[in-house]
Amino acid sequence: KQEVTQIPAALSVPEGENLVLNCSFTDSAIYNLQWFRQDPGKGLTSLLLIQSSQREQTSGRLNASLDKSSGRSTLYIAASQPGDSATYLCAVATNAGKSTFGDGTTLTVKP
Amino acid sequence: ETGVTQTPRHLVMGMTNKKSLKCEQHLGHNAMYWYKQSAKKPLELMFVYSLEERVENNSVPSRFSPECPNSSHLFLHLHTLQPEDSALYLCASSRTSGSSYEQYFGPGTRLTVT
Repeated sequence: KQEVTQIPAALSVPEGENLVLNCSFTDSAIYNLQWFRQDPGKGLTSLLLIQSSQREQTSGRLNASLDKSSGRSTLYIAASQPGDSATYLCAVATNAGKSTFGDGTTLTVKP
Repeated sequence: ETGVTQTPRHLVMGMTNKKSLKCEQHLGHNAMYWYKQSAKKPLELMFVYSLEERVENNSVPSRFSPECPNSSHLFLHLHTLQPEDSALYLCASSRTSGSSYEQYFGPGTRLTVT
């Protein structure tokens, strides 16, 4: 059974800092890995999807990497802004359409 | 907007009521999902429909009954719920071709069972 762990559970940084969020998973036979952002009481917004054959994906100030052999993914956020404050979720799909989610990392960026 | 809508956004119901949650996707996807998000717990996959057939049922109690009449619509029928069923119910959709399966989520329905 796939298990997904996100560390840290919460992170508070001053505006402008670069930061890294971590996601680890136990079963390396994955289909893809997707990073989401969730604002309080809202749905999930897809940030980046890395397919099993890829090593990283970039979108603006976000960069996500994937190392299947070690069961890890990182989400790098450059030059953080207060608007980046949210909960970031990692989801690992081990077969078509079935994803296991981590507990999330709650990020606070202070002005 | 993600192209996935959910109604109602908020619902309060008693344990003896019957209600339905609705999800609609405008993305041309052919797979749809129901998730439950409770406080301090990770998202739990409840049901998956692919090409309008249920392909996943994660040991969900029978008081939750999904329905997928076509690839654009998904319902979750609720009856005789318990207070512990109070949660945010999220709908998502994706394609089933290729290896992407990128999921797009709706805004959720906040359900409170009294």
